[in-house]
Amino acid sequence: ETGVTQTPRHLVMGMTNKKSLKCEQHLGHNAMYWYKQSAKKPLELMFVYSLEERVENNSVPSRFSPECPNSSHLFLHLHTLQPEDSALYLCASSQDFQSIRAQYFGPGTRLTVT
Amino acid sequence: SQQGEEDPQALSIQEGENATMNCSYKTSINNLQWYRQNSGRGLVHLILIRSNEREKHSGRLRVTLDTSKKSSSLLITASRAADTASYFCATDRMDSSYKLIFGSGTRLLVRP
Repeated sequence: ETGVTQTPRHLVMGMTNKKSLKCEQHLGHNAMYWYKQSAKKPLELMFVYSLEERVENNSVPSRFSPECPNSSHLFLHLHTLQPEDSALYLCASSQDFQSIRAQYFGPGTRLTVT
Repeated sequence: SQQGEEDPQALSIQEGENATMNCSYKTSINNLQWYRQNSGRGLVHLILIRSNEREKHSGRLRVTLDTSKKSSSLLITASRAADTASYFCATDRMDSSYKLIFGSGTRLLVRP
């Protein structure tokens, strides 16, 4: 798990707050991903970045705003969230996004929206 | 849309026994991967099997893939209490191998 780190590990926020989740990968990978894992639902892909360029936005509401300043860092900016957005948010990276590769996950941020 | 579906949803076995989990999927794939997740933590990649492979081994893990039946199985031999976790299969799509679609997972409990 030390290859991909995420902060904070836990976050409680109100619906009017603005917060950011941070992900950093130390593996020299070129692709990074955000996933959402809600209770009783399969893991859902949210965004994919390749070399700081967004290549996938999987119909995610605009209250989630990703940012990838360089190939090692990925952020997820949150604003005016809803209680149903409470979930475990997982960041992952892979060598690149075009070839068949394993993805390496961080430990996740447990988000609770009150 | 959901692609992989694991079976059973939950499995409880005694330490030392073998555990078998199955995954079925709907559309053609380039590869299928298995991941493990300990409670509330990140996923750990276990094994990747490509569509032209039928079987793969890694330590106590054995994965099979039957593309004609669109199914895969994960066998954990000589299970240990530390194997207690949720196990997920993930499939890609022929046109986008980076877009992994995960199933709902099998929760495995290994009793000491």
